[in-house]
Amino acid sequence: QQPVQSPQAVILREGEDAVINCSSSKALYSVHWYRQKHGEAPVFLMILLKGGEQKGHEKISASFNEKKQQSSLYLTASQLSYSGTYFCGTEHNYGNNRLAFGKGNQVVVIP
Amino acid sequence: NAGVTQTPKFRILKIGQSMTLQCTQDMNHNYMYWYRQDPGMGLKLIYYSVGAGITDKGEVPNGYNVSRSTTEDFPLRLELAAPSQTSVYFCASSYDVHEQYFGPGTRLTVT
Repeated sequence: QQPVQSPQAVILREGEDAVINCSSSKALYSVHWYRQKHGEAPVFLMILLKGGEQKGHEKISASFNEKKQQSSLYLTASQLSYSGTYFCGTEHNYGNNRLAFGKGNQVVVIP
Repeated sequence: NAGVTQTPKFRILKIGQSMTLQCTQDMNHNYMYWYRQDPGMGLKLIYYSVGAGITDKGEVPNGYNVSRSTTEDFPLRLELAAPSQTSVYFCASSYDVHEQYFGPGTRLTVT
């Protein structure tokens, strides 16, 4: 079941904050966040696990609401390097790391 | 450490031709994955493997086959290529249920 990501696109100036969201209609075991720049491969940012454990990027934070089956990624004091498309991947069953990816949030940071 | 490598980078196939996309990782990861990414869409899982000799279908397996005879290699076979298989193909690997590392991708056009 493909998660839904919102908003589809965000434009912000350097230094501004933004929140992007990922929600699922099925119970989640974990949520992964990846960032992809144009013409490149996706790069891992963060994993949020059921039970509250987080692993990942130091400068980007995220939350995981198990009850609401959703996750949010917080881009704080954005930098030009934050531009790209952010994908969430949701895992519904522990053990196979099989992810369903959303369509992505396109983020553009301008000077 | 080369990480995940994919060959070829680009390929044009005629309808009905066959080809194999190669994927190799040197991180001793047990899990490997094949995804396809169409423009403006997220990543769709084609096949995955949790270890040598073990493979399983993902979300969109029709028209593809895989094998995993070694830990390092996970080739994807396209039989009887169709225009609907025009896409960017990414191979990824992970150590158990952790972050996935993606290869640079293969851009395939079927005409």
